[in-house]
Amino acid sequence: AQSVTQPDIHITVSEGASLELRCNYSYGATPYLFWYVQSPGQGLQLLLKYFSGDTLVQGIKGFEAEFKRSQSSFNLRKPSVHWSDAAEYFCAVGPQTGFQKLVFGTGTRLLVSP
Amino acid sequence: EPEVTQTPSHQVTQMGQEVILRCVPISNHLYFYWYRQILGQKVEFLVSFYNNEISEKSEIFDDQFSVERPDGSNFTLKIRSTKLEDSAMYFCASSRGPDGGELFFGEGSRLTVL
Repeated sequence: AQSVTQPDIHITVSEGASLELRCNYSYGATPYLFWYVQSPGQGLQLLLKYFSGDTLVQGIKGFEAEFKRSQSSFNLRKPSVHWSDAAEYFCAVGPQTGFQKLVFGTGTRLLVSP
Repeated sequence: EPEVTQTPSHQVTQMGQEVILRCVPISNHLYFYWYRQILGQKVEFLVSFYNNEISEKSEIFDDQFSVERPDGSNFTLKIRSTKLEDSAMYFCASSRGPDGGELFFGEGSRLTVL
């Protein structure tokens, strides 16, 4: 069965500290992998995606993620968190072909302390 | 920057009433989707739509649900007879192409069924 696990429901990070949000997936074939961010009252914004090639992908707002096939993981990182990064982050997987029927994780809410 | 817009942002309805949620996808996109997020749960795929017909739907998308593109710009989700468990945030999304094409999400329509 296809599934995405985000083991951390909430994470609190001090402003300026580094961040890593975990994502593990289970998928029958090689998937496309995504991280979305949702700020309060906003829609889902794509941070970055992995299709193929270099396993370290760069996204917007200074985020990056690393695809590790052996661990079925796609963790999101940022070297220095800003207060504006406080939001909910969703990892998702989707098929490499066909319609974008994405499977989402339950999300991780990031709180940024001063 | 082009965006997906959804109306209404919040709708409250009585159980058994019909509800129509509206979406205006990005103008040159051809693939349209509805996802939903029940409070505290993960975002779930409902249906994908292309060339004026449903291309894929989930088991959630039963006979109470229907989608339509009534004109060249709107994409609607109709719930024929709402149930309490239909209370959720409904996200519309669109993409230019199906194969790994980025999904652009709207800000969501929150439906509350009393």
